[in-house]
Amino acid sequence: GAVVSQHPSWVICKSGTSVKIECRSLDFQATTMFWYRQFPKQSLMLMATSNEGSKATYEQGVEKDKFLINHASLTLSTLTVTSAHPEDSSFYICSARDGDRGDHSPLHFGNGTRLTVT
Amino acid sequence: GQNIDQPTEMTATEGAIVQINCTYQTSGFNGLFWYQQHAGEAPTFLSYNVLDGLEEKGRFSSFLSRSKGYSYLLLKELQMKDSASYLCAVRGGNYQLIWGAGTKLIIKP
Repeated sequence: GAVVSQHPSWVICKSGTSVKIECRSLDFQATTMFWYRQFPKQSLMLMATSNEGSKATYEQGVEKDKFLINHASLTLSTLTVTSAHPEDSSFYICSARDGDRGDHSPLHFGNGTRLTVT
Repeated sequence: GQNIDQPTEMTATEGAIVQINCTYQTSGFNGLFWYQQHAGEAPTFLSYNVLDGLEEKGRFSSFLSRSKGYSYLLLKELQMKDSASYLCAVRGGNYQLIWGAGTKLIIKP
């Protein structure tokens, strides 16, 4: 149980275009999903917390107008990287927690999306 | 401030035992997690400790001492496939996860 599906696995786009990444909880409902970014040989960096039916909460230094998050249902959150630039190239990972299993349940991660902006 | 410390890299031999330490200083504590992350892949959940003591799960065990702000992940009978980064994460008082930088474990034949 507790499967999180992330799509696409990898994407290459041109500078200035936008890219949408989807994150779905397949067998549980997630009122909250988390978006992380990871640069090579570095740890996970939380970008934002996605809340179903309300605005996302962004971490300090993350541009909310550049990284648009939509959490329209209990099983789907999307991250759109707008006007992508080469410095946005990174590994983006979403995660969710099965809230029905209590506050101490672990985060389950999607497989990640490797974004390369040329 | 809040921080989590773990060694950057460790090397061990196939078939041996290795212990990866994690120390933390956080505002509040609601559990400690260990995740495994292979290069280019997302993290996968290994273990969870919220009370002091040892949690054993097959070849992997995790220990917690809340009074010392200390945990370790013990890997027995190491296999080549165990080569990965191991991430320690603490859930603080506000239930936010605080991540360590990860320990890269290299297994040699």
